[in-house]
Amino acid sequence: ETGVTQSPTHLIKTRGQQVTLRCSSQSGHNTVSWYQQALGQGPQFIFQYYREEENGRGNFPPRFSGLQFPNYSSELNVNALELDDSALYLCASSLSEGAYEQYFGPGTRLTVT
Amino acid sequence: ILNVEQSPQSLHVQEGDSTNFTCSFPSSNFYALHWYRWETAKSPEALFVMTLNGDEKKKGRISATLNTKEGYSYLYIKGSQPEDSATYLCALHASGGSYIPTFGRGTSLIVHP
Repeated sequence: ETGVTQSPTHLIKTRGQQVTLRCSSQSGHNTVSWYQQALGQGPQFIFQYYREEENGRGNFPPRFSGLQFPNYSSELNVNALELDDSALYLCASSLSEGAYEQYFGPGTRLTVT
Repeated sequence: ILNVEQSPQSLHVQEGDSTNFTCSFPSSNFYALHWYRWETAKSPEALFVMTLNGDEKKKGRISATLNTKEGYSYLYIKGSQPEDSATYLCALHASGGSYIPTFGRGTSLIVHP
């Protein structure tokens, strides 16, 4: 059984740029959630994708968007990067949209300069 | 917005010490609580999911208790080992069936040999 993987591990971008982060879900999981963990904070829910549709969103602006593919892998896109977007971005997969058990990837560390 | 608090923020103990930390949450909003263990540069790993008042869960030297009436959960580590060094996160699932967890900021535990 393959766990949740994320790429890249680290990324440095300039303010105003766009970034795409990737997540491969655990085998058999059709739901992916994305979280942002800023320094000193707990992970904050960004959104969830279930069967290729957005299935819930946290308090993040529209410049945070996502995709889920037929193989249930997912992307997080952030446009017009701001310095405050610097954070660790975690994805987590689960068996279904209502499942409370989530399996996390190791995260992507994004630094915006 | 749910307020999930974890204390202490960080903890340094000596190998062999037993330790405990707290996750506090609004008692009126409880559905389920997760504890995660998160080692540096790795993925958060689920330790326990707790749903019933009075629940006690145990995994090796780590155990957890739950009091939903007063809104807290304790995580205990007996005879701490250096490999227990990690950040311990709790995440609340609120009533109403929301699958979106609210995380605390975590307790960082460092066990010195």
